[in-house]
Amino acid sequence: EAGVTQFPSHSVIEKGQTVTLRCDPISGHDNLYWYRRVMGKEIKFLLHFVKESKQDESGMPNNRFLAERTGGTYSTLKVQPAELEDSGVYFCASSPFEGTGGSWETQYFGPGTRLLVL
Amino acid sequence: DAKTTQPNSMESNEEEPVHLPCNHSTISGTDYIHWYRQLPSQGPEYVIHGLTSNVNNRMASLAIAEDRKSSTLILHRATLRDAAVYYCILRDEDQGNTPLVFGKGTRLSVIA
Repeated sequence: EAGVTQFPSHSVIEKGQTVTLRCDPISGHDNLYWYRRVMGKEIKFLLHFVKESKQDESGMPNNRFLAERTGGTYSTLKVQPAELEDSGVYFCASSPFEGTGGSWETQYFGPGTRLLVL
Repeated sequence: DAKTTQPNSMESNEEEPVHLPCNHSTISGTDYIHWYRQLPSQGPEYVIHGLTSNVNNRMASLAIAEDRKSSTLILHRATLRDAAVYYCILRDEDQGNTPLVFGKGTRLSVIA
């Protein structure tokens, strides 16, 4: 079974440009999460999709970040326009969905996209 | 999620056991104790989790104190591949598929 994949693995852009990160979750996983680690900081949650719906986007830093999940499959995270402080590693994770009732699942992470904004 | 406290770093010799501690004095009755680790240049990966009883899997063991205010991740024979940052994370069973809340974790170095 293929794991979570992310593309690109690295991206170097100039301030003010646009970058789109892609995440392909494990097939059949309804939950998809985006996290990021900026330099010297802890890994922080950005947002959570359940299928194509945004369940929680409380971690999105500002309106320069736009996440979509088309058809409940892959997800994209667009940063427009990119700023210097957006540099860091962006991780995607997925987990199956067990419905309601207090259940939780192990999250499976991709290798991350390393973004450098110059 | 309740907070956890871990040492910033630890060091171990290869092929020796490693005990990674985690304090979670404000843990609630429905909090599970999870451990993830992040190997260099990779995303975090699940290691183990438990509620009250000690747990074993192919990667590690988890020893949970009787009062649940602390736990210890045990790697029985550290290898160079185990060098990583280890995160102790509490997850509330009643809150479903919530995001993981990462702290600073413990950076484990393994010496050959």
